[in-house]
Amino acid sequence: QQQVKQSPQSLIVQKGGISIINCAYENTAFDYFPWYQQFPGKGPALLIAIRPDVSEKKEGRFTISFNKSAKQFSLHIMDSQPGDSATYFCAASISGFGNEKLTFGTGTRLTIIP
Amino acid sequence: DSGVTQTPKHLITATGQRVTLRCSPRSGDLSVYWYQQSLDQGLQFLIQYYNGEERAKGNILERFSAQQFPDLHSELNLSSLELGDSALYFCASSVASRGNEQFFGPGTRLTVL
Repeated sequence: QQQVKQSPQSLIVQKGGISIINCAYENTAFDYFPWYQQFPGKGPALLIAIRPDVSEKKEGRFTISFNKSAKQFSLHIMDSQPGDSATYFCAASISGFGNEKLTFGTGTRLTIIP
Repeated sequence: DSGVTQTPKHLITATGQRVTLRCSPRSGDLSVYWYQQSLDQGLQFLIQYYNGEERAKGNILERFSAQQFPDLHSELNLSSLELGDSALYFCASSVASRGNEQFFGPGTRLTVL
């Protein structure tokens, strides 16, 4: 059972544009939602994360929007740059000892074209 | 650089063999997590250790086992290897108070021939 659904599978955005990746979850016990960025041959790197008590979190050009009632969250990359070309994974987990395992979405391959 | 180290970076072996993957967590992190990344299964949680004890188990095969040592480094042992075990294996670590916030190592790419 896939508990975190991610879309689109791939995305091409022009330099300077806004990249938007969406995720939906099923388990209402999830209370931590991170986004990871992965470059080829590297490990996933924590980009930004949100908890359900806020609807939006912004760090630089990266923003997470969170809709608790719809059980959806999304990553917005403003002013997208070629260096942002990577695979992005959303994830979810439950706070509490022994429950912190991350459940990942299937990933979005983002390509920023000049 | 996340501060999590993994060795070796690449491992090529034959079916039926046994291998050991090693992970050193960030300084001060007590929790270690192992994940497998494959094309068909994506990123999947295998097992978590906290301060030397197994804390949570995920989709880990019985042929696989792990342990965390007193110096907090962890090893993932894969035995009776099959072609389908070829994947990237990542280790992540976190501080106890912020277990959700996990930092990943560079991974070990395992190829089973």
